[in-house]
Amino acid sequence: AAGVIQSPRHLIKEKRETATLKCYPIPRHDTVYWYQQGPGQDPQFLISFYEKMQSDKGSIPDRFSAQQFSDYHSELNMSSLELGDSALYFCASSPGEQLEQYFGPGTRLTVT
Amino acid sequence: GIQVEQSPPDLILQEGANSTLRCNFSDSVNNLQWFHQNPWGQLINLFYIPSGTKQNGRLSATTVATERYSLLYISSSQTTDSGVYFCAVYHNNNDMRFGAGTRLTVKP
Repeated sequence: AAGVIQSPRHLIKEKRETATLKCYPIPRHDTVYWYQQGPGQDPQFLISFYEKMQSDKGSIPDRFSAQQFSDYHSELNMSSLELGDSALYFCASSPGEQLEQYFGPGTRLTVT
Repeated sequence: GIQVEQSPPDLILQEGANSTLRCNFSDSVNNLQWFHQNPWGQLINLFYIPSGTKQNGRLSATTVATERYSLLYISSSQTTDSGVYFCAVYHNNNDMRFGAGTRLTVKP
């Protein structure tokens, strides 16, 4: 069965640089979620999209933005990167809001 | 916001032992999921269980929504069961809240 695809899987950036993470949801899933997981922590909800519109916002910094495109893939844009942004970033998708979420393999971002 | 508490925080088992992991939540929830995060960081869906009982092989889960808790049972544990087990809940919107997890180590 198709799963959520995330790219890149690993990313190394320097402070103050920008990064773009991509997420391709499971086919026919119209809801996409982004999470950030710091070392030794649980995943923290950042933002979600339903039918290409932002639906909920969590603890997403103002330096980050995201969108969902017409083909339902989503991108998380991160600017002015800080050391504290180093984390595992997950994308998840579901076939509707508040239904079972399926997680991608994550993108490990390291900011040096 | 809703609080999600998992216990125990750490658990060490000998291979073949059984265990019960608990998730308490502070308010009514629309849905609840259990995940296993393996040592490579992958989050694997175990159960989507807003209420009732489900079983999948050696694993089973029960959610008693009226009493605000869920239990995950692991029987005949194997070394590959090691990792962190998270429960996560939806409350009023798409903001799914995770507990802090139970770190399970299964020794051969």
